[in-house]
Amino acid sequence: DADVTQTPRNRITKTGKRIMLECSQTKGHDRMYWYRQDPGLGLQLIYYSFDVKDINKGEISDGYSVSRQAQAKFSLSLESAIPNQTALYFCATSGPAGDFTDTQYFGPGTRLTVL
Amino acid sequence: AQSVTQLDSQVPVFEEAPVELRCNYSSSVSVYLFWYVQYPNQGLQLLLKYLSGSTLVKGINGFEAEFNKSQTSFHLRKPSVHISDTAEYFCAVSERGSSASKIIFGSGTRLSIRP
Repeated sequence: DADVTQTPRNRITKTGKRIMLECSQTKGHDRMYWYRQDPGLGLQLIYYSFDVKDINKGEISDGYSVSRQAQAKFSLSLESAIPNQTALYFCATSGPAGDFTDTQYFGPGTRLTVL
Repeated sequence: AQSVTQLDSQVPVFEEAPVELRCNYSSSVSVYLFWYVQYPNQGLQLLLKYLSGSTLVKGINGFEAEFNKSQTSFHLRKPSVHISDTAEYFCAVSERGSSASKIIFGSGTRLSIRP
């Protein structure tokens, strides 16, 4: 079984709808991340969480919110989806290093299309 | 703030030929450097990372990278590529010793291998 899972894998929705993307991990890691991937732009960090009570904004948090329900679960929400949020979204986890030196383990991605 | 530039968006090479993927970074402080690989329809996985010590870093699948502080570069190399190396490669950087540091990814280089 995969260590980092994401649901759904694909989603098509309409402008203005609320969408939640879910991430679960079995690696026992404290740190979890949400990234967005757009062609030619690489990955951009949306939010990250270093433990259940610690949530931090990344480079592009506007229009997104997150919830860390447990050590193993980190959800990303789009309160009112817009077309330029169409992208591939990745969840990742890492161990308890003091900074970003630890290897990040990525989920398979969620392809979101906003019409 | 740090930044990373991958100079080539696409690199086509013949099978068994050598390859170099270029990465340059910018930062006012010391950095950690990473190369991640993304195979088709998958998440990213770590190839190698430079934290300290020897400037030549060896990773998985026969890849290596050399940290050059004076040229602010971290180029990825492989002496002989295989079809299975077809993927997108991302360079990433994070700043040392900063609790507010984030990992920044480059825009990616798509490596295509011709038989």
